[in-house]
Amino acid sequence: DIQMTQSPSTLSASVGDRVTITCRASQNINSWLAWYQQKPGKAPNLLIYKASTLHSGVPSRFSGSGSGTEFTLTISSLQPDDFAIYYCQHYDFYSPWTFGQGTKVEIK
Amino acid sequence: QVQLVESGGGLVKPGGSLRLSCAVSGFTFSNYYMSWIRQAPGKGLEWVSHISASGSTILYADSVKGRFTISRDNAKNSLYLQMNSLRAEDTAVYYCARGTAATGVFDYWGQGTLVTVSS
Repeated sequence: DIQMTQSPSTLSASVGDRVTITCRASQNINSWLAWYQQKPGKAPNLLIYKASTLHSGVPSRFSGSGSGTEFTLTISSLQPDDFAIYYCQHYDFYSPWTFGQGTKVEIK
Repeated sequence: QVQLVESGGGLVKPGGSLRLSCAVSGFTFSNYYMSWIRQAPGKGLEWVSHISASGSTILYADSVKGRFTISRDNAKNSLYLQMNSLRAEDTAVYYCARGTAATGVFDYWGQGTLVTVSS
């Protein structure tokens, strides 16, 4: 199975900061990567798919990049509503879909 | 609006069985593939199973293969997960999720139902 590894596990930041989360795949997944945001007690919300395509309704301060095995999620200017846990997920059809372990973005 | 509502969770003893349901509304259920995804308490997300729109293609994570069965009833707008031979490590919140045009990406999720496997 493809392993997804996120870094950092926890990130402390302030409102207005530029934040970057990294996700690494154990093998080439081309651009078959999605990012989700999850708040406590809630289901995840889709942010980005195909590595860099913003899901409908997601604010433009979120962006994704990368291909192959290394990917990033960037929040250009952190807002109060963005404090949450972020997960990457590969969806290469030839391997069971797996998620990264999550990155918690907390208030500094 | 799109709604997915899970039910059927609860406390079950190891080795027991449980059937989860997911009732959907607000979209044409028969046009979409669906998945079950779970989250153990305080842990990350784990994809469990996938079923295509027609039900002809079914996939399982290795951790549940042979014990869980996914199914759907397009006439009833419902998705199911039959869980047998349950283990403590199956304890989790189980979410049903709708797939997008990109297979393996999930744009709508239910609120989840908690399954606790304990003696």
